[in-house]
Amino acid sequence: AQSVTQLDSHVSVSEGTPVLLRCNYSSSYSPSLFWYVQHPNKGLQLLLKYTSAATLVKGINGFEAEFKKSETSFHLTKPSAHMSDAAEYFCVVSVLDSSYKLIFGSGTRLLVRP
Amino acid sequence: DAGVIQSPRHEVTEMGQEVTLRCKPISGHDYLFWYRQTMMRGLELLIYFNNNVPIDDSGMPEDRFSAKMPNASFSTLKIQPSEPRDSAVYFCASTDRTGPSRWSTQYFGPGTRLTVL
Repeated sequence: AQSVTQLDSHVSVSEGTPVLLRCNYSSSYSPSLFWYVQHPNKGLQLLLKYTSAATLVKGINGFEAEFKKSETSFHLTKPSAHMSDAAEYFCVVSVLDSSYKLIFGSGTRLLVRP
Repeated sequence: DAGVIQSPRHEVTEMGQEVTLRCKPISGHDYLFWYRQTMMRGLELLIYFNNNVPIDDSGMPEDRFSAKMPNASFSTLKIQPSEPRDSAVYFCASTDRTGPSRWSTQYFGPGTRLTVL
């Protein structure tokens, strides 16, 4: 069975400093992995997704994530945090059948200090 | 496109009352998902539809919950009778069949915040 673990429930950074949100996955086969962002009182929006085409995936708003099979990780990074990045971020894995079902991590809340 | 539309955005009701949440998926999307988000349990899939047919309702917590999709542009999630523990944010999402299922992007609505007193 597939699963994801987000290693930090809260991450706090200063504006202009790098962001690192950590995610480890468990999957018997090559997984499909996603990062979604949820701003306060809003729905979830896709940041980026890994579908085995390239291990370094670039997303919207300057975010990127690297798929590392040896470490079973899919960490989300951004070189320089902006105040508007403050939100909750979810690492997500797709169930390996034809069901279109997603399994969500517990979320990491990113705080950006001015 | 307007995206996934949900109504109402906020609902406050008293225990025992019937609650109906509504969702309009993105036009052309043939998969529709209902999720529930709580602090304790995170995001949970309740049920999903393909071409208006329920495919998997294993996440529906109990018989008090029911969902329908009478046509391709409308779905409802009903709770009857409602209980305080049903308080949560309920999201609807939709996707289309572009590529393998496990690569598809789900597009989420803004959610309905339900409070049952």
